[in-house]
Amino acid sequence: EADIYQTPRYLVIGTGKKITLECSQTMGHDKMYWYQQDPGMELHLIHYSYGVNSTEKGDLSSESTVSRIRTEHFPLTLESARPSHTSQYLCASSRKGGVSGTRVAKNIQYFGAGTRLSVL
Amino acid sequence: QKEVEQDPGPLSVPEGAIVSLNCTYSNSAFQYFMWYRQYSRKGPELLMYTYSSGNKEDGRFTAQVDKSSKYISLFIRDSQPSDSATYLCAMSEGSNFGNEKLTFGTGTRLTIIP
Repeated sequence: EADIYQTPRYLVIGTGKKITLECSQTMGHDKMYWYQQDPGMELHLIHYSYGVNSTEKGDLSSESTVSRIRTEHFPLTLESARPSHTSQYLCASSRKGGVSGTRVAKNIQYFGAGTRLSVL
Repeated sequence: QKEVEQDPGPLSVPEGAIVSLNCTYSNSAFQYFMWYRQYSRKGPELLMYTYSSGNKEDGRFTAQVDKSSKYISLFIRDSQPSDSATYLCAMSEGSNFGNEKLTFGTGTRLTIIP
C-alpha cells in the first residue's frame, strides 16, 4: 500500500468557507498531483508539482490553488467553496525516475484514499 | 472525442469466470499503459503497467497492449468476489523531462457474483 495520506476523508461545508485539503507522502517522491473525480467520469488533473516551489495548473480549470513548500506536503486550498466544487479530490505522487531501469517506474502514480467534499 | 475510451459498464460476471476489460485510445504517442483498481471510497491502486506493445502477466491478471490497433486489455482469470471494483485504464506519453501526465479512462465497474 502506498504511503500517501489525505485528510480529511470526508468534508461537508457551507458555501463561502475557505477550506484546505491536506496531502502528504512519505515516499520521498518529487512529483505530486491533484485530481478531481466525479461519478462515471474520468479523473481530471487540476494541479501538479515537479518539486519544492513548483506548481502547475492541470488540464481541468479549477478555482483551487496549491503550494509545495516541502517535498512531502502538497495542500490544496479553496478560498470560497461553492456547491460546484462538490466532488472527490484525489492526491497522487510519483518518483522522479532516471535512465533505463526506472523509465517505467517514474510514470507510476500512487494515490491517496481521497477527500470527498460536499459544499452545501 | 475523448483521448481514451472505456466502457463504463457495469459488468457482472459469476465467480470463476474470465473477465476482459478494454480501452481504446487515439493518441499514438502513448507509450506507458497502466491499469488501476479502485474499491468503493478508496483511491486508485496500481494493478498492472506495461511499456509499449506486448503482454504482461501477474498472477491471475494479464495486461495486453496492441499499439497498432490502439487497444489495451486487462484479463482476470478465475475471478473472485474480491475483484469487484472499478478498473481504470491510464496511459501517458512519457518523457525524460518530467512530463508524465496520465490520461485516464472513465473506469469500468465490475461485480463478481458469488
